[in-house]
Amino acid sequence: GAVVSQHPSWVICKSGTSVKIECRSLDFQATTMFWYRQFPKQSLMLMATSNEGSKATYEQGVEKDKFLINHASLTLSTLTVTSAHPEDSSFYICSLTGSSGNTIYFGEGSWLTVV
Amino acid sequence: AQTVTQSQPEMSVQEAETVTLSCTYDTSESDYYLFWYKQPPSRQMILVIRQEAYKQQNATENRFSVNFQKAAKSFSLKISDSQLGDAAMYFCAYMTGSARQLTFGSGTQLTVLP
Repeated sequence: GAVVSQHPSWVICKSGTSVKIECRSLDFQATTMFWYRQFPKQSLMLMATSNEGSKATYEQGVEKDKFLINHASLTLSTLTVTSAHPEDSSFYICSLTGSSGNTIYFGEGSWLTVV
Repeated sequence: AQTVTQSQPEMSVQEAETVTLSCTYDTSESDYYLFWYKQPPSRQMILVIRQEAYKQQNATENRFSVNFQKAAKSFSLKISDSQLGDAAMYFCAYMTGSARQLTFGSGTQLTVLP
């Protein structure tokens, strides 16, 4: 089946800096990608949905200028956390699906710690 | 808006015994899918089982089966012959046929006792 690679697995950054997380589909054409955030002991909360070549659709309460999502190709989506603050520290997970939408694949997730 | 409710924050089961995790959902859609995902400490999301709403037959995957009650909007997961490796956080999730985005419940932490 498809393999989703999410990188980096762990990242520590200083407050005020930006950090980019990549989500790659290694053998699958991902027409739609989703980004979730998961705080400790909580569920996954959808942040945004992106279709290849289109602007991302953000969920209510998610700042699109702070969480920049780019889905430039069928195999790569990136999430950039701009001007990161300690409250942005969380686990970020991407998932993707193809044109049929019948199967959803998840990345391994990325731990972000802002100090 | 669709909501998914898991009323059991924590559950425990003795090894080799059977446990049932509860999930209810709310939707006005007719075309949708329901899922159970397992999230071990590694945080990797692992699909346990999937159910299409239009199918009346309950989905089964080896030791995992669901009790899908469409009218009651209930979707419980039964784990038979529980194993130590089943210990994890379990999330119930809902997806519409068109939007393809998942809405997750709050999760149930399952502990398997040796």
